[in-house]
Amino acid sequence: QLQLQESGSGLVKPSQTLSLTCAVSGGSITSSGSSWSWIRQPSGKGLEWIGYIYYSGNTNYNSSLKSRVTISIDRSKNQFSLRLRSATATDTAVYFCARGDYSNYPRPYYYMDVWGKGTTVTVSS
Amino acid sequence: NFMLTQPHSVSESPGKTVTISCTRSSGSIASNYVQWYQQRPGSAPTTVIYEDNQRPSGVPDRFSASIDSSSNSASLTISGLKTEDEADYYCQSYDTNNRHVVFGGGTKLTVL
Repeated sequence: QLQLQESGSGLVKPSQTLSLTCAVSGGSITSSGSSWSWIRQPSGKGLEWIGYIYYSGNTNYNSSLKSRVTISIDRSKNQFSLRLRSATATDTAVYFCARGDYSNYPRPYYYMDVWGKGTTVTVSS
Repeated sequence: NFMLTQPHSVSESPGKTVTISCTRSSGSIASNYVQWYQQRPGSAPTTVIYEDNQRPSGVPDRFSASIDSSSNSASLTISGLKTEDEADYYCQSYDTNNRHVVFGGGTKLTVL
């Protein structure tokens, strides 16, 4: 079955770029209709949606992070990535990748049906 | 843009029934499907309800959900509570206008 695994630097210095990768196994990242998301969760707090990318490469980002975020797909490696520039301590969180299921019919929806286990990122000098 | 508001915490005894609400701040709750996720400590969220009231395979029928247009809210009901149901529960929907994913703040369920 589909599995997702996050990886990347667990410690990032303030002002540097946080970079994470999500490896997808058990399915193709470019299958028609597929979408891939990043979500984060500061310790003891709720879930915050960061953004998603469609198999076509189109993206959509949380307005509060849009100026600093890039999500991209690497078709050759069957993985997708998150880059968050100018990191600060408030970006310290567990970061999850997930597959998105979406449709506009009969009513629009987007939800995450398969999640990675999450990876902890700390922003500190 | 809209927000989803959940109670911070609820508690109930084993064997009882509990309901968690999720109120949409603007726009109709029926405009977009609502999902519910369960998150146990140290684990990733898992879907317990999708498309307002559908249960993924493997989720027991003790979990049910509905939407109520009169209160503009969604509700997750767990009957026959078990200690293993103790977790955080998040509602989630989709903002058609900006195509953003929206999460509720989460509700901590204590089964005592």
